[in-house]
Amino acid sequence: SAVISQKPSRDICQRGTSLTIQCQVDSQVTMMFWYRQQPGQSLTLIATANQGSEATYESGFVIDKFPISRPNLTFSTLTVSNMSPEDSSIYLCSARVPGGALAYGYTFGSGTRLTVV
Amino acid sequence: AQTVTQSQPEMSVQEAETVTLSCTYDTSENNYYLFWYKQPPSRQMILVIRQEAYKQQNATENRFSVNFQKAAKSFSLKISDSQLGDTAMYFCAFMKLYNNNDMRFGAGTRLTVKP
Repeated sequence: SAVISQKPSRDICQRGTSLTIQCQVDSQVTMMFWYRQQPGQSLTLIATANQGSEATYESGFVIDKFPISRPNLTFSTLTVSNMSPEDSSIYLCSARVPGGALAYGYTFGSGTRLTVV
Repeated sequence: AQTVTQSQPEMSVQEAETVTLSCTYDTSENNYYLFWYKQPPSRQMILVIRQEAYKQQNATENRFSVNFQKAAKSFSLKISDSQLGDTAMYFCAFMKLYNNNDMRFGAGTRLTVKP
């Protein structure tokens, strides 16, 4: 199955600054997904990123706050902009298993633990 | 919109015993996929088992099996011969076949296997 390298694994940031999280997939994938997991909570979908088109954001998430890039079929970034303590969460990227049916689900990066102080 | 409900925030089981985690979901779709993911403290999401909605036979993967009741929209996970390494958060997830195929997760169940 595909391997997703996500970095940084963790960071502590000052409020008002921005952090860019990177995900590199070892295979070409059409769609990538970005999730937020607040402490002790479930995963909430932020947006879906297709290569060559604008990301599609879920209700409650906007591009100005969470801009996403998808420059090619193996890479994506999520930026958390103008951070506040409420943005402290784990952020995960995921992608469909290359060559696999949807029934195989998605593979995930190892997550970025963000703390905003 | 699809919703996934896990009504057991925490559960514990003795090593070598059997435990069942519950999951219900709500959808108007007829064809979809269901998954159980495990998230240990490392944060890595690990696929445990999957079920295609069009299959009536319950999926099994070694010590893990599901009880899929499509009419009741229920998808429980049974872990047999529990091991200490099974200690983790378990998430039930729903994926529709069309329109982005995004995956929706339940709130999770924290399972602790006790020695």
